Amino acid sequence: GNSVTQMEGPVTLSEEAFLTINCTYTATGYPSLFWYVQYPGEGLQLLLKATKADDKGSNKGFEATYRKETTSFHLEKGSVQVSDSAVYFCALPGGAGGTSYGKLTFGQGTILTVHP
Amino acid sequence: EAGVVQSPRYKIIEKKQPVAFWCNPISGHNTLYWYLQNLGQGPELLIRYENEEAVDDSQLPKDRFSAERLKGVDSTLKIQPAELGDSAVYLCASSSGEAGELFFGEGSRLTVL
Repeated sequence: GNSVTQMEGPVTLSEEAFLTINCTYTATGYPSLFWYVQYPGEGLQLLLKATKADDKGSNKGFEATYRKETTSFHLEKGSVQVSDSAVYFCALPGGAGGTSYGKLTFGQGTILTVHP
Repeated sequence: EAGVVQSPRYKIIEKKQPVAFWCNPISGHNTLYWYLQNLGQGPELLIRYENEEAVDDSQLPKDRFSAERLKGVDSTLKIQPAELGDSAVYLCASSSGEAGELFFGEGSRLTVL
């Protein structure tokens, strides 16, 4: 079945530092890939997505490139802000036991804390 | 446009007591999900509805958990009786069918004492 593995956190950075959060996946075929973000006290929300290999998803200064050669979808941002402090989840459709494209399987999440 | 609404936001109960969570999805979204999020973990699917039909409930512990989505709109997730290990955040999400774009509520945090 489909699954994702995220780098273990938490990640603590100073403002304006470069961010990378690693995500690798195992999947049947080439499903879309997603990053979701959960700000403190809020629900998860879609941050960006890529629907096919070599696609780059981007939003709010964050980027992630769908790399089928390395089965990766790492999240990057060139200069983080305090307001980026949140939990970030990598996700893809399907899950253990088969590919049910009506659901998402999430990684464990990476806590990012950005200090002024 | 209103987002996904969940209630209650917080619930504290003693073990063996029942508890229920309610979810109102985004208007027009036919697909509704209940996810379980344990501390430090990603969300895990409990049940997925397409309109009023439960199409994926393989991860729902049916001995104590039940869910319903009457009329294909609001949904209720019930636990009876609750156990200590049920302490977690219960997330509701809905989608219009565009693959992977789920809209989540703020969640209901359950503490079982």
